[in-house]
Amino acid sequence: GQQLNQSPQSMFIQEGEDVSMNCTSSSIFNTWLWYKQDPGEGPVLLIALYKAGELTSNGRLTAQFGITRKDSFLNISASIPSDVGIYFCAGQLFRTSYDKVIFGPGTSLSVIP
Amino acid sequence: ETGVTQTPRHLVMGMTNKKSLKCEQHLGHNAMYWYKQSAKKPLELMFVYNFKEQTENNSVPSRFSPECPNSSHLFLHLHTLQPEDSALYLCASSQWTSGGANTGELFFGEGSRLTVL
Repeated sequence: GQQLNQSPQSMFIQEGEDVSMNCTSSSIFNTWLWYKQDPGEGPVLLIALYKAGELTSNGRLTAQFGITRKDSFLNISASIPSDVGIYFCAGQLFRTSYDKVIFGPGTSLSVIP
Repeated sequence: ETGVTQTPRHLVMGMTNKKSLKCEQHLGHNAMYWYKQSAKKPLELMFVYNFKEQTENNSVPSRFSPECPNSSHLFLHLHTLQPEDSALYLCASSQWTSGGANTGELFFGEGSRLTVL
């Protein structure tokens, strides 16, 4: 079945550094989504992408929908301590009621002050 | 505050107990979901309800029984669970169009942490 891979699995960075993480799939998706989960909380939607090649920003976050429709990346610029958490990518093939959103295993981010 | 409230936040139960998880959404959405989150595994979709009708049952064991009395409330009834069912159970909601289009934008609650002894 459809499966998403995220890399890196975890990362430790210094405050102020830029972060890059990506998500790949063996099959195409028509929607890519990025969520963040803080410790003890549920995931929160950060960015949604609906078109191949689309580049979208949300504050210090920038995400791109890969041109092959099989990948997406998320960049965080000038990281701060509150960026700590698990970042999940998610994909959906069709925007229909019967199509599931598939989640990746997550990238765990730690920021060292 | 995401607009999706789950209770209880933590639950410990024995294998023979019966308990229920509750979810309420204040976003006016028409679809609600139960997800299971286990350590080091991707989020697993369990059930989907659209306009109170169950549209997805993702091969979930019958010891998990969902109930959706209206589009704002969702329950997960638990009975004779196993220790491997210990996990974070997340409720989510989203808005589907009248034509059935689903953007994939999910709004999650904070989760109910379940421990089965």
